[in-house]
Amino acid sequence: DQQVKQNSPSLSVQEGRISILNCDYTNSMFDYFLWYKKYPAEGPTFLISISSIKDKNEDGRFTVFLNKSAKHLSLHIVPSQPGDSAVYFCAASGRVSNFGNEKLTFGTGTRLTIIP
Amino acid sequence: SAVISQKPSRDICQRGTSLTIQCQVDSQVTMMFWYRQQPGQSLTLIATANQGSEATYESGFVIDKFPISRPNLTFSTLTVSNMSPEDSSIYLCSVILDRAYEQYFGPGTRLTVT
Repeated sequence: DQQVKQNSPSLSVQEGRISILNCDYTNSMFDYFLWYKKYPAEGPTFLISISSIKDKNEDGRFTVFLNKSAKHLSLHIVPSQPGDSAVYFCAASGRVSNFGNEKLTFGTGTRLTIIP
Repeated sequence: SAVISQKPSRDICQRGTSLTIQCQVDSQVTMMFWYRQQPGQSLTLIATANQGSEATYESGFVIDKFPISRPNLTFSTLTVSNMSPEDSSIYLCSVILDRAYEQYFGPGTRLTVT
């Protein structure tokens, strides 16, 4: 049962344009959402997060949007740069684990390629 | 953020053997976790490494297969026991610092079992 889904395994975007990565979740108990970026041979790097009490959070070129009614979040990167080429994971946290709120459930990832 | 290191970075092991992976953090942290990323898959939580007590395992993971130690607030080990090719994965440790939800990850250990 995949509770966090990233339906696009890959995405190619021209440099300078907007990259939009999507993520859907099924568990309504999730109340905090995060995006991670992963380069080959490295661990995931935290990018940006959003609480369920908000519908938008912005940090420089990165903006995350949350639509709770649709159980959908998206990450916008604008303008896209070649260094943004990586695998992006969305993750969710909430009152679903047996030891607290810290458990993260990850999506399967989207490989973003920025074309120069 | 914290500086998190893992040893070894990669290894090739024979079926039936065991490998211990180390995770070292440059500051004291409350919570440490171990994840697995199988080829082409997402990250899956194996267990929470509890300092001074037994680890808390997720469904599908057991202590006999993945024993974990956490002797202090900066160090943890994960052992993959009696390995089979299905254990070939990237194993990652992560920590939580002062925020409740943001986890920071180590570089990972790429394990190949032949």
